[in-house]
Amino acid sequence: RKEVEQDPGPFNVPEGATVAFNCTYSNSASQSFFWYRQDCRKEPKLLMSVYSSGNEDGRFTAQLNRASQYISLLIRDSKLSDSATYLCVVLGRTSGGSYIPTFGRGTSLIVHP
Amino acid sequence: DAGVIQSPRHEVTEMGQEVTLRCKPISGHDYLFWYRQTMMRGLELLIYFNNNVPIDDSGMPEDRFSAKMPNASFSTLKIQPSEPRDSAVYFCASSLTETEVYGYTFGSGTRLTVV
Repeated sequence: RKEVEQDPGPFNVPEGATVAFNCTYSNSASQSFFWYRQDCRKEPKLLMSVYSSGNEDGRFTAQLNRASQYISLLIRDSKLSDSATYLCVVLGRTSGGSYIPTFGRGTSLIVHP
Repeated sequence: DAGVIQSPRHEVTEMGQEVTLRCKPISGHDYLFWYRQTMMRGLELLIYFNNNVPIDDSGMPEDRFSAKMPNASFSTLKIQPSEPRDSAVYFCASSLTETEVYGYTFGSGTRLTVV
């Protein structure tokens, strides 16, 4: 099983739709979680951190479920500019004591008019 | 701050040649990461440094790859000799701490093509 798994999509939705992505992780000792956004031929950029109690930033809501080992990202009222690849990132501690950030392969979102 | 700066932006080289990628992290960031991104494998962590010291290089594919960080403001990733399968986008990222709540800042990447 891969350490961090995401549905690659693409998710093809109309403007104004609500869309949700999930990401599962295998390391139960994972400490921190993030969602990144990557536009075509650009670098990944932090979208939001994911807190245990869940958090919201405008149209974006992130949730963490430690028991089931997944995080989710909900986008409400989708805009054309939301079209991108969304990467899930999990920070886990190795047996050597270091922290390694592991990226999922990403979920592609296409918002159409 | 200018962010994480990588050079060159694009590199095309012939198989067997040495390739050196460069990165300048954000000033004050103690952690520097080198990633490789391909369609097949996504983003893979190659190596990361803390205060210029390599902490984990388990992602370095083989001996042809080496990375150095001679000071807090500069790091290199070298491939010698290069092979076509090394073609990818190589990203450098930096962060304040190891468990950075605010995430990692990436450079614009170096798109490497080995022919």
